[in-house]
Amino acid sequence: SQQGEEDPQALSIQEGENATMNCSYKTSINNLQWYRQNSGRGLVHLILIRSNEREKHSGRLRVTLDTSKKSSSLLITASRAADTASYFCATDDSSYKLIFGSGTRLLVRP
Amino acid sequence: NAGVMQNPRHLVRRRGQEARLRCSPMKGHSHVYWYRQLPEEGLKFMVYLQKENIIDESGMPKERFSAEFPKEGPSILRIQQVVRGDSAAYFCASSPPESSYNEQFFGPGTRLTVL
Repeated sequence: SQQGEEDPQALSIQEGENATMNCSYKTSINNLQWYRQNSGRGLVHLILIRSNEREKHSGRLRVTLDTSKKSSSLLITASRAADTASYFCATDDSSYKLIFGSGTRLLVRP
Repeated sequence: NAGVMQNPRHLVRRRGQEARLRCSPMKGHSHVYWYRQLPEEGLKFMVYLQKENIIDESGMPKERFSAEFPKEGPSILRIQQVVRGDSAAYFCASSPPESSYNEQFFGPGTRLTVL
């Protein structure tokens, strides 16, 4: 079964609004990462948060991690049409194998 | 520093043919990973290789699939006697040899279509 599961599966917002996506996982992790995938394209690494970190920022991105609840959230502030993409969380419980969720498809309407 | 390169970007094969997917890791990276993505799904781990060694192939189907990462040249994912169910996007990722974090850099993928 999937280690990481994102919700919602799909999200549609207006440009300028904030977008929040959540990821839950089942087992202990070393790191949790968020990736973006534009339609039909490869994955772009957004941010990595370690298991001993609780929050991390990168530009308009804010990631939180709650290991007690085995969950993470990705917040994109002041969204733009160019943020339209699928967003995946990936966890690793070993030194190398990334386990991806099924993704949140974000649509930012201009 | 070029990113992870994969070729071809699109590959069409008929059932029963062979598919060869190539991946050149980022410069200085000696760890290569292959993942498969079915439509509307996340990526699934297939295999992890270092130069001339397969470290973990637990995600690879037991038959028809093989992977290698030779001392010289790109990593190759080989699918023999393809079937329609092999149609997917195949992504390669690489990481440096001594990374404290498991940050993997992904290539653009090869989209395999089996007719």
